[in-house]
Amino acid sequence: GQQVMQIPQYQHVQEGEDFTTYCNSSTTLSNIQWYKQRPGGHPVFLIQLVKSGEVKKQKRLTFQFGEAKKNSSLHITATQTTDVGTYFCAGKRRTGANNLFFGTGTRLTVIP
Amino acid sequence: NAGVTQTPKFRILKIGQSMTLQCTQDMNHNYMYWYRQDPGMGLKLIYYSVGAGITDKGEVPNGYNVSRSTTEDFPLRLELAAPSQTSVYFCASSPNEGLAGGPPDTQYFGPGTRLTVL
Repeated sequence: GQQVMQIPQYQHVQEGEDFTTYCNSSTTLSNIQWYKQRPGGHPVFLIQLVKSGEVKKQKRLTFQFGEAKKNSSLHITATQTTDVGTYFCAGKRRTGANNLFFGTGTRLTVIP
Repeated sequence: NAGVTQTPKFRILKIGQSMTLQCTQDMNHNYMYWYRQDPGMGLKLIYYSVGAGITDKGEVPNGYNVSRSTTEDFPLRLELAAPSQTSVYFCASSPNEGLAGGPPDTQYFGPGTRLTVL
């Protein structure tokens, strides 16, 4: 079945350090979305990547979609305490229903 | 717009009890979803609906039932609560599947219901 794995599961960084989380799918994806969930909150959409090799930036966040459309990454430059939370990738299969398969998430802690 | 609302926020059930988790969206979205999130884990899809009157099973449907009589509402029913159903439940909606071959739309999540079964 469809599996989306994320690493690392946890990451502690000093404020100002960079952070990267990686997402890998067992099958080729139609597209991938990234969500952020603050502690005690609900997932909030960040971005969607569709094209092979696509790179998108949102201020200090850089998102990449692999050439084979089976992996993705989120990189945060110079982390801030407001970046704290769990980052999930979610992939959609190329065919079938509109179901997103969520990764296990990476919980980011930023130490001031 | 209130977006996606869920009630209750918290609930404690005894084993064998039943309850309904309510979910309402006021964005006129066709697609609605129910997920569960276990501690430290990702989201698992329980059921989804592509429109009023149409529902389908997700990854972990056992022990749950849904209905979709209106576009706005998508309640989730637990008939015989078990400790394994202790989790946070999120409802989400999205406008449509997107054009054929194109991207799906963003999913908008409700605030969640924290359920404990003792």
